[in-house]
Amino acid sequence: GNSVTQMEGPVTLSEEAFLTINCTYTATGYPSLFWYVQYPGEGLQLLLKATKADDKGSNKGFEATYRKETTSFHLEKGSVQVSDSAVYFCALKTGANNLFFGTGTRLTVIP
Amino acid sequence: DGGITQSPKYLFRKEGQNVTLSCEQNLNHDAMYWYRQDPGQGLRLIYYSQIVNDFQKGDIAEGYSVSREKKESFPLTVTSAQKNPTAFYLCASSIEGGGTDTQYFGPGTRLTVL
Repeated sequence: GNSVTQMEGPVTLSEEAFLTINCTYTATGYPSLFWYVQYPGEGLQLLLKATKADDKGSNKGFEATYRKETTSFHLEKGSVQVSDSAVYFCALKTGANNLFFGTGTRLTVIP
Repeated sequence: DGGITQSPKYLFRKEGQNVTLSCEQNLNHDAMYWYRQDPGQGLRLIYYSQIVNDFQKGDIAEGYSVSREKKESFPLTVTSAQKNPTAFYLCASSIEGGGTDTQYFGPGTRLTVL
């Protein structure tokens, strides 16, 4: 079946620190992979995506590379800001309509 | 501005009452979705629709109903049969619902049963 496992939070970092949020997946077929971000009290916003192996998604300084050999899609950012504080969700999508989400990782960045 | 709107932002319901959550999109997307989010958990799919007048059950459809009479609208009714309806409800849409399609989300409705 399809599932996503992401590192449990919460994660607390100082401003300008390096961020990694791990995400691994199990999927039938060849999924597309996504990172969504949710700010307090809001819906989800697409952060980045990758649709095939070795693709790198990037946006707003965040990056993630689709690694088929390790079934991973880890989210990274070189220097986090206070405004990056949010909950981050890794998700996968196969040919079906369903998005399979991880449980989310809460990031807090302190000045 | 193109996007997805959900209303109301907060909704309170007494036990035993049905309530309808609104979702509208002006992105000209064919596919629309309803998800439920509980604290500390990911999203779970309730219903989805790939085209007008057609919809399919997701993973947790029991106690919910939907309609898709117009392309831009996909209302969700939470019925009294839903045993634990207090949650954050998110509507999404995508161009056509294919495997590489990106789903775009509305701002959500927080439903509380009193």
